[in-house]
Amino acid sequence: QKEVEQDPGPLSVPEGAIVSLNCTYSNSAFQYFMWYRQYSRKGPELLMYTYSSGNKEDGRFTAQVDKSSKYISLFIRDSQPSDSATYLCAMKAAGNKLTFGGGTRVLVKP
Amino acid sequence: DTAVSQTPKYLVTQMGNDKSIKCEQNLGHDTMYWYKQDSKKFLKIMFSYNNKELIINETVPNRFSPKSPDKAHLNLHINSLELGDSAVYFCASSHLQGARAFFGQGTRLTVV
Repeated sequence: QKEVEQDPGPLSVPEGAIVSLNCTYSNSAFQYFMWYRQYSRKGPELLMYTYSSGNKEDGRFTAQVDKSSKYISLFIRDSQPSDSATYLCAMKAAGNKLTFGGGTRVLVKP
Repeated sequence: DTAVSQTPKYLVTQMGNDKSIKCEQNLGHDTMYWYKQDSKKFLKIMFSYNNKELIINETVPNRFSPKSPDKAHLNLHINSLELGDSAVYFCASSHLQGARAFFGQGTRLTVV
């Protein structure tokens, strides 16, 4: 079993819909939780960063962390075709090694 | 200005060859990484250097040898390339203990 599990998708939604992404994890030592967006043939870029449990909002993006359930989510409101990409969750315990999920491919159709 | 830059972007080579990938960051970070992304998009850490010292060395064949001449540069040399080495290799950097890692554009290695 992988430390971080993420549904590979693809997740197809119409433009304007809410995109809901999630990851589950098994390592209770994870303290930092991140979401990266990766366009085809590009490097991952950091979208959201949260520490411990709670919610964080940034524009159209909301990240949620539930440490008791070992579950994190990313919501994208008013989705646009330009949001079509692979979204990767990543987590970190003490130390500087990031552990990634396998990514979810999202397609927003105009 | 590119924050983390890798060269080359594409690399096609024959089995058994030796090749190098170079990485440079201008973010002032003290920690750099090599990640490998396989065909299923799974990103896995290979190595991490902090101020030129190796601090993470995952279970990677010893044909892979990283070198950090200074904290802004991290290179990856691969000996005796095998078909299974075909993947996209990403360089990244961050502050030590920092969770915000910045990635380069990747080097797509194809071994034929």
